Amino acid sequence: SQQGEEDPQALSIQEGENATMNCSYKTSINNLQWYRQNSGRGLVHLILIRSNEREKHSGRLRVTLDTSKKSSSLLITASRAADTASYFCATDRVTGRRALTFGSGTRLQVQP
Amino acid sequence: GAVVSQHPSWVICKSGTSVKIECRSLDFQATTMFWYRQFPKQSLMLMATSNEGSKATYEQGVEKDKFLINHASLTLSTLTVTSAHPEDSSFYICSASPTSSGGYEQYFGPGTRLTVT
Repeated sequence: SQQGEEDPQALSIQEGENATMNCSYKTSINNLQWYRQNSGRGLVHLILIRSNEREKHSGRLRVTLDTSKKSSSLLITASRAADTASYFCATDRVTGRRALTFGSGTRLQVQP
Repeated sequence: GAVVSQHPSWVICKSGTSVKIECRSLDFQATTMFWYRQFPKQSLMLMATSNEGSKATYEQGVEKDKFLINHASLTLSTLTVTSAHPEDSSFYICSASPTSSGGYEQYFGPGTRLTVT
């Protein structure tokens, strides 16, 4: 499969807790992005991290990237019920097509 | 800025009919657009790369005669699902890459939900 893998596939936590999702990919990349998708809706871009960056923050989001392990993690701190959604990582390749390759996704459920 | 629209947002059609989905970049020019498909509870899978003024490039396993792509202008790409069948029911999402970005940025449309009965 060309897709990357994400784990866990599903995650259920209580409001206020932190949520961590992991993504692994297969090819060398220019950058890695994280998206959120509410059920049946379009994608919302969360954050982009470049291949020469190791960590990036945006509000309650923290993303790490380890290119040697071809992996990334997304941490959502102090989660809220509104964070309930599916989260996907997406990578683009250094060479070849510019389309994004999406991970399998993590379904996050935040219980109020 | 960088808004991409899709029309329609949802469509229900009968088996055997054809459906056209439009993807428009509203405030930028896009030499390249991408079409993805997402089945329920699955991730997005690239179907094809649409290039303005030339033929689309299809991913392995995607029938080019069934999923017709036309990218006639720098702001519009269309995907036509011909002779649709229930197994074509899916969420179709396009993205557009600003010409000025050299293909390194993509902006996604809101998606089109297709239901074939």
